[in-house]
Amino acid sequence: QVHLVESGGGVVQPGGSLTLSCAASGFSFSRYAMHWVRQAPGKGLEWVAFIQYDGSNKCYADSVKGRFTISRDNSKNTLSLQMNSLRPEDTAVYYCAKDYGVIAFDYWGQGTLVTVSS
Amino acid sequence: EIVLTQSPATLSLSPGERATLSCRASQSVGSYLAWYQQKPGQAPRLLIYDASNRATGIPARFSGSGSGTDFTLTISSLEPEDFAVYYCQQRSNWPPLFTFGPGTKVDFK
Repeated sequence: QVHLVESGGGVVQPGGSLTLSCAASGFSFSRYAMHWVRQAPGKGLEWVAFIQYDGSNKCYADSVKGRFTISRDNSKNTLSLQMNSLRPEDTAVYYCAKDYGVIAFDYWGQGTLVTVSS
Repeated sequence: EIVLTQSPATLSLSPGERATLSCRASQSVGSYLAWYQQKPGQAPRLLIYDASNRATGIPARFSGSGSGTDFTLTISSLEPEDFAVYYCQQRSNWPPLFTFGPGTKVDFK
C-alpha cells in the first residue's frame, strides 16, 4: 500500500527558507519519478517540481525556478523540497505525489502547510 | 505554455443525473490529459490518465474521452460521494512541465 507522508511545513517570514520532506513507503521508491504539487488556500492545484527516479533530471515551474530545489535520497526513500527566497504567494499546502508514466500523479500525500507571512 | 480551461466552473446536479465536464487546451496535448477528483480537506485522487484510461479502483461510472485540445469527463450517474471539485491536468512533451485546469465544482442542485 503506497504511503506518502509530508513534513516540514510551518510559518516563515518573506525571504526565508524552509525544507519539506516526504517519506515514501509501500512501493519501490527508487524506480519512480516524484513530484511536488501545491495548492494555495481556496485555490486550484499548481505543479511545482519533478525529479526523475534516479535524480538525473529535474524540472520546475517558472514560478519557483531558481528558488526551489527538488532532491531525493533513494537509500532513505525520501523526497525533499528546499525552498529559498520565499514569498507570500508561496503560501500553500504542499503535496508530494508519485509519478505515473511521467503523465500523471497516481498517489498523493496528505500535504503540509507552508505559510509565508511577517 | 499550454493553458487549460475548464467548463462550467460549477455544475449543479442531483444524485443519479449525468455529469459532463469539459477541459480545453490552448494547443494540442495529444492524449496527455488526466482528471482528478478532490474533496474538501483531502488530497486529489487520480481518476483518468491518457485521456480515457481509468486509474486503479475507479468506478466504471467515470469515463474520459477526447484528444488534441478538447476533452470530456463524464460521470454517468452521480453518487452522493461524487460531489467534489474536478481538475484536468496536462503534460508538455519535454522537458515535462505539468499544468492543471482551474477546476469544475460539482455540487448539489
